[in-house]
Amino acid sequence: RKEVEQDPGPFNVPEGATVAFNCTYSNSASQSFFWYRQDCRKEPKLLMSVYSSGNEDGRFTAQLNRASQYISLLIRDSKLSDSATYLCVVMSGGTSYGKLTFGQGTILTVHP
Amino acid sequence: EAGVTQFPSHSVIEKGQTVTLRCDPISGHDNLYWYRRVMGKEIKFLLHFVKESKQDESGMPNNRFLAERTGGTYSTLKVQPAELEDSGVYFCASSQVVPRVGGYGYTFGSGTRLTVV
Repeated sequence: RKEVEQDPGPFNVPEGATVAFNCTYSNSASQSFFWYRQDCRKEPKLLMSVYSSGNEDGRFTAQLNRASQYISLLIRDSKLSDSATYLCVVMSGGTSYGKLTFGQGTILTVHP
Repeated sequence: EAGVTQFPSHSVIEKGQTVTLRCDPISGHDNLYWYRRVMGKEIKFLLHFVKESKQDESGMPNNRFLAERTGGTYSTLKVQPAELEDSGVYFCASSQVVPRVGGYGYTFGSGTRLTVV
């Protein structure tokens, strides 16, 4: 079983749509959680951190459920520029502090 | 502020040859990480330096891989001898020493695309 599981998609949605991505993680000792975005042939870039209380950044809303070990990302009013791979990322604690574990990524394509 | 710089951006080598990848972190970032993405797989951790010391090298695949960070500045990752399965994109990332709880994040370099033929 992978440490971080994501639905690889692809998700194909029209502009203006709302789309949700889910992710589960297996290590209950994980300390921090993130969504990264990766464009084709580029490096991953931090989209947002994810907090237990839920957090929002513009059109993006992230949620964390520690009890279920579940992370989500909601994108509202999708734009063409949102087309990318979205990576669910978990950071370890303890002796592996700082190590990031990535999901395989969910591919999103927003079409006109 | 200059970002994380990696070079070369691309490298094509023959099986059995040696390749050295370099990463220059953001100035003042004591933490330096190497990651790798092979085709069709997720990005995977290789190792973590704190200054010049290896904090965690649990992700290094085998002893053909050697990472160094002399002086705690730039780092090199040498693959010797390279095998076909070493092909992939190698990313370097850096962060400040003390991460902010809940807001921790890295800065990634643009990666080195390694192809072993």
